[in-house]
Amino acid sequence: DAGVIQSPRHEVTEMGQEVTLRCKLISGHNSLFWYRQTMMRGLELLIYFNNNVPIDDSGMPEDRFSAKMPNASFSTLKIQPSEPRDSAVYFCASSPTGGQTGELFFGEGSRLTVL
Amino acid sequence: AQKVTQAQTEISVVEKEDVTLDCVYETRDTTYYLFWYKQPPSGELVFLIRRNSFDEQNEISGRYSWNFQKSTSSFNFTITASQVVDSAVYFCALRTNAGKSTFGDGTTLTVKP
Repeated sequence: DAGVIQSPRHEVTEMGQEVTLRCKLISGHNSLFWYRQTMMRGLELLIYFNNNVPIDDSGMPEDRFSAKMPNASFSTLKIQPSEPRDSAVYFCASSPTGGQTGELFFGEGSRLTVL
Repeated sequence: AQKVTQAQTEISVVEKEDVTLDCVYETRDTTYYLFWYKQPPSGELVFLIRRNSFDEQNEISGRYSWNFQKSTSSFNFTITASQVVDSAVYFCALRTNAGKSTFGDGTTLTVKP
């Protein structure tokens, strides 16, 4: 079975540009998490969804960040406009159906560099 | 609010030594779940173990063992006879019944040959 798939794996962009990160969940999973990892702040939870509904977006840094789940298997994280401080590795993770207490299955991450 | 503290930022050991990674958590929930994840130099995050708040039995899996003590809110991880391949960042995490997962800052383990 395919794991969580993230794209792009690497993105280099200039300040002010729009960035869209994509995530495909494991089939049958119904919880979706977006994390950001930096040296300074570690792994930060940005937002998570259950059954396509955003449950907690308190970790989203500011209005420049938005996340959507247009369907049960796909999510996007958008940054507009991007800033150098957004440079980080962004991880998407999913969790099995009914398993709100189960382990997370992580994608390989999207490394974003904003110049 | 929930919080996970991994006080050890970095640990360095020599191969074959035993090493314990500490994890202390805070939550007001009576039902919760604790996890350890490994992040090797390649960058992916790999699940190692899950424990629920009602199960304080220690667990051993090969060279890995976990000690959960609810009285001290700790969930420590021991690697016996460490190997170079164990070098990684290890994260402790807490997940509530509502589904939210909070990670500690991680402990970077370096095992030298």
